Amino acid sequence: DTAVSQTPKYLVTQMGNDKSIKCEQNLGHDTMYWYKQDSKKFLKIMFSYNNKELIINETVPNRFSPKSPDKAHLNLHINSLELGDSAVYFCASSLGTGGNQPQHFGDGTRLSIL
Amino acid sequence: AQSVAQPEDQVNVAEGNPLTVKCTYSVSGNPYLFWYVQYPNRGLQFLLKYITGDNLVKGSYGFEAEFNKSQTSFHLKKPSALVSDSALYFCAVRDSILTGGGNKLTFGTGTQLKVEL
Repeated sequence: DTAVSQTPKYLVTQMGNDKSIKCEQNLGHDTMYWYKQDSKKFLKIMFSYNNKELIINETVPNRFSPKSPDKAHLNLHINSLELGDSAVYFCASSLGTGGNQPQHFGDGTRLSIL
Repeated sequence: AQSVAQPEDQVNVAEGNPLTVKCTYSVSGNPYLFWYVQYPNRGLQFLLKYITGDNLVKGSYGFEAEFNKSQTSFHLKKPSALVSDSALYFCAVRDSILTGGGNKLTFGTGTQLKVEL
């Protein structure tokens, strides 16, 4: 029973292409997140949704667009991919937005730009 | 603003010995503190948290952490390390008075723990 699942696990594509990553959680959580982990393992939040409403929108190029069709799903679409977008992207979820509940992470999508 | 520091990039310890992974934080209000572990090619897994109450918190896999308000620290500890504990460990903080930012965690840069036979 995978709690937070992301697809695809690996994504290799050319510069300039558009790609999407999907995330689903079956934990009954109402808040979901996208993180980017760079090659030095530094983890940075990109976006967060609570009940389909965007609540965190960090300084991210507008080529990145999240979409939450319902509270169990959060997708990430990336336009005009650049070399610097190569990273591991993690989806996470939690209960509420009070900050006192742990976040549960998926196993990541490894994006490589050729 | 909230921030967290993990001063050691790597910690080496022999199996059976106690281990400590250090974390210090900075917040305006009270801290919500978390430890996560990441194994290769996996996502972060929650180990333990401090929200309020006892300064010593116990978590998964025999790990514990001590909250020290005066030193603004939240070090992760285990009495007897196992080779299987070798992984990347992240400390994270959220300021309790952070408003309008949802559940925004700030993560440390990670500490690679290597447990050798």
